[in-house]
Amino acid sequence: DTGVSQDPRHKITKRGQNVTFRCDPISEHNRLYWYRQTLGQGPEFLTYFQNEAQLEKSRLLSDRFSAERPKGSFSTLEIQRTEQGDSAMYLCASSLDGEGPQHFGDGTRLSIL
Amino acid sequence: QQQVKQSPQSLIVQKGGIPIINCAYENTAFDYFPWYQQFPGKGPALLIAIRPDVSEKKEGRFTISFNKSAKQFSLHIMDSQPGDSATYFCAASMGNSGNTPLVFGKGTRLSVIA
Repeated sequence: DTGVSQDPRHKITKRGQNVTFRCDPISEHNRLYWYRQTLGQGPEFLTYFQNEAQLEKSRLLSDRFSAERPKGSFSTLEIQRTEQGDSAMYLCASSLDGEGPQHFGDGTRLSIL
Repeated sequence: QQQVKQSPQSLIVQKGGIPIINCAYENTAFDYFPWYQQFPGKGPALLIAIRPDVSEKKEGRFTISFNKSAKQFSLHIMDSQPGDSATYFCAASMGNSGNTPLVFGKGTRLSVIA
């Protein structure tokens, strides 16, 4: 049984570039969540899916952010025109609908130069 | 607006001691309260969770105490070990199985010294 897998683990990019992260949930988990965590803070919710349907987006998710889960399995989170303030750890979690709890991956650390 | 307030920010205890971390919430719609442990460079890992109809829950050395009227809950770590040194987060969500977005506290950095 593999856990939640995130790729890449680290991403360094220049301000203004686009980046995309991938999350593979635990097999058969139909709910998938994205969170952002900055240094010294708790994770903050960004968005989540049930299968391929995006159920909710936080107001933290600006127009530069987009998330997809096209086939109800893996998900991608894209950030366009990155800014310094986007530097953070992006965490993915998954759960089984009706049973919980949420299991987290080890995140993608984004650094904006 | 911080929906889940966690204290203390950091905590140092001797090996064998019982660190206690406290959290308070305002939203009475919250129905599920987990605690997560996070090591540097890793994602949060679920330790234990409780629902408001229970006042206490124990799993191994970890105990959650829950006070619904005060809207407070706390984590106790019995017989703490240096390997317990990590950051601990309380969280809350609506829906009683943790299947809705979690609202996290700011975390408590625990150091257990031998």
